[in-house]
Amino acid sequence: EPEVTQTPSHQVTQMGQEVILRCVPISNHLYFYWYRQILGQKVEFLVSFYNNEISEKSEIFDDQFSVERPDGSNFTLKIRSTKLEDSAMYFCASYRTAEAFFGQGTRLTVV
Amino acid sequence: KNEVEQSPQNLTAQEGEFITINCSYSVGISALHWLQQHPGGGIVSLFMLSSGKKKHGRLIATINIQEKHSSLHITASHPRDSAVYICAVYPLETDKLIFGTGTRLQVFP
Repeated sequence: EPEVTQTPSHQVTQMGQEVILRCVPISNHLYFYWYRQILGQKVEFLVSFYNNEISEKSEIFDDQFSVERPDGSNFTLKIRSTKLEDSAMYFCASYRTAEAFFGQGTRLTVV
Repeated sequence: KNEVEQSPQNLTAQEGEFITINCSYSVGISALHWLQQHPGGGIVSLFMLSSGKKKHGRLIATINIQEKHSSLHITASHPRDSAVYICAVYPLETDKLIFGTGTRLQVFP
């Protein structure tokens, strides 16, 4: 069965460094999402992406964040200058007809 | 106020017990998702439903759209069912998911 894959599974970075989280959505999906889960908290929406542009973003998704689909298959989330509070599990999801399929997540630790 | 509430927050059971986890939501939805999250953190989809009832093995999910309520049942629970179970809804006016806080289930042998 097709699946959403995310890399890396775990990333440790120094505060202030840039990180890029990668996702390969299911190939015939059109809608792509990033969600975040801070340890001990619920999963929260970051951004949605459709037709090569952001369709919706949350208050969390400030100027430090960006998304792109550089080559038509990968879907990336970039954090320009990481802060300690960016430490979280980041999930990519892709949508078929309104059913979300999730990747296994990237655990980002900012030290 | 949370738009999606789950109860209980924590649940402990003996192997073989029947488990029920509840989810209530306050917004109009097109569908609801039950998800499972293991200690490693990955999320696995269990069910997506918009009406009635679905069954997969020992898992049963029901939804009552009028009452804005869904339940997840596990029959003959097993230690490998130990995980966090998360309810998430698809609101009518958007296609982003709104998540509940999860129910942590521990099943002991």
